[in-house]
Amino acid sequence: SYVLTQPPSVSVAPGKTARITCGGNNIGSKSVHWYQQKPGQAPVLVIYYDSDRPSGIPERFSGSNSGNTATLTISRVEAGDEADYYCQVWDSSSDHQVFGGGTKLTVL
Amino acid sequence: EVQLVESGGGLVQPGGSLRLSCAASGFTVSSNYMSWVRQAPGKGLEWVSVIYSGGSTYYADSVKGRFTISRDNSKNTLYLQMNSLRAEDTAVYYCAREWNGVSYFDYWGQGTLVTVSS
Repeated sequence: SYVLTQPPSVSVAPGKTARITCGGNNIGSKSVHWYQQKPGQAPVLVIYYDSDRPSGIPERFSGSNSGNTATLTISRVEAGDEADYYCQVWDSSSDHQVFGGGTKLTVL
Repeated sequence: EVQLVESGGGLVQPGGSLRLSCAASGFTVSSNYMSWVRQAPGKGLEWVSVIYSGGSTYYADSVKGRFTISRDNSKNTLYLQMNSLRAEDTAVYYCAREWNGVSYFDYWGQGTLVTVSS
């Protein structure tokens, strides 16, 4: 089965840039989606199809995907961005959706 | 406005059964791909099952043979029948809609907690 690997935690100071990676075998050939989840809440889509942003998501959120790594970038990080972030792809070989293990973003 | 409202969670003994429901409004369940995603306490998201608009169903290996996904078109409701429950099935269960077929999850319910314990 397809495996997505994320760092357990990322820390960043307010106003700086946070980069959260999602590793997978030739993930660049797949469409990657990213979710933000705050404690006690359902996940919220922040990036879809590698780099598209849903309406209502700040332009500070961006994404890229190439080779074996997809990246969620959050510019000018704010305290309200502190949350868990998950990447997700569809594995066509198994018809299964796959989530990464999640990354806890801490704003220092 | 699109809404998904789960219900049916609760405390169940190991080996027991439970049926979760997800009532949808603002769109037609049978015209969309609908999934269940769960999250064990303090853990990450785990995809559980999907039902396609055409009726095909798929399951994570961890639940295959024990869980069954279905829908009631007349009630516009998604279900998850969970049998032979184990302690490791303890989690918040979310229903979610997949946009335009197999892609991303654009709408999520608020989740319902299932606790498997004696």
